[in-house]
Amino acid sequence: EVQLVESGGGLVQPGRSLRLSCAASGFTFDDYAMHWVRQAPGKGLEWVSGISWNSGSIGYADSVKGRFTISRDNAKNSLYLQMNSLRAEDTALYYCAKEYRSGYYGSGPFDYWGQGTLVTVSS
Amino acid sequence: SYVLTQPPSVSVAPGQTARITCGGNNIGSKSVHWYQQKPGQAPVLVVYDDSDRPSGIPERFSGSNSGNTATLTISRVEAGDEADYYCQVWDSSSDHPNVFGTGTKVTVL
Repeated sequence: EVQLVESGGGLVQPGRSLRLSCAASGFTFDDYAMHWVRQAPGKGLEWVSGISWNSGSIGYADSVKGRFTISRDNAKNSLYLQMNSLRAEDTALYYCAKEYRSGYYGSGPFDYWGQGTLVTVSS
Repeated sequence: SYVLTQPPSVSVAPGQTARITCGGNNIGSKSVHWYQQKPGQAPVLVVYDDSDRPSGIPERFSGSNSGNTATLTISRVEAGDEADYYCQVWDSSSDHPNVFGTGTKVTVL
């Protein structure tokens, strides 16, 4: 059974940093691209960042470019999101999501999602 | 950046058909995916590559895509279909290629 479990969220002051983690199991992690998607309270889905199976291709939404860094450790079956210079508008539930097709980056869709970790940026 | 526009809400009676549109410039040339999200839950993929269904998704869910509009159709709507629905495309020409639609709330009357 595929499982994606996010962690690392919490309350943080504006300008500070936070690192999210996503522990994956139930599939061959290093065969698949992975993504972070967020959802602000009461709002829609926003793609944040994605990384190919071998970290050779990486992308970011304009809203986080230069502040967030995505990475993965295939030996640990883990995905990360380093978030720096956090702003109030980064407040959201952050989901880890698995891309459907192995060996691809960016064709979508996302066939498995975690339950999310909540990040609240407030003073 | 590429923009996907969905109607904010669609209302449908049980047993009837709900159609949710997703508008985008020449969206017919792209692959469109659809997600269902119920309150307090993570999104679930219901249609991918315009019209394919993942295993476990009822045949009542179908999709089409042409021109500037993609459509998710839910036939014989049930109370359990009440949820938010989002379309998604990958715009390879963009620096931020993964785009979600604005979302549509489906209400079963």
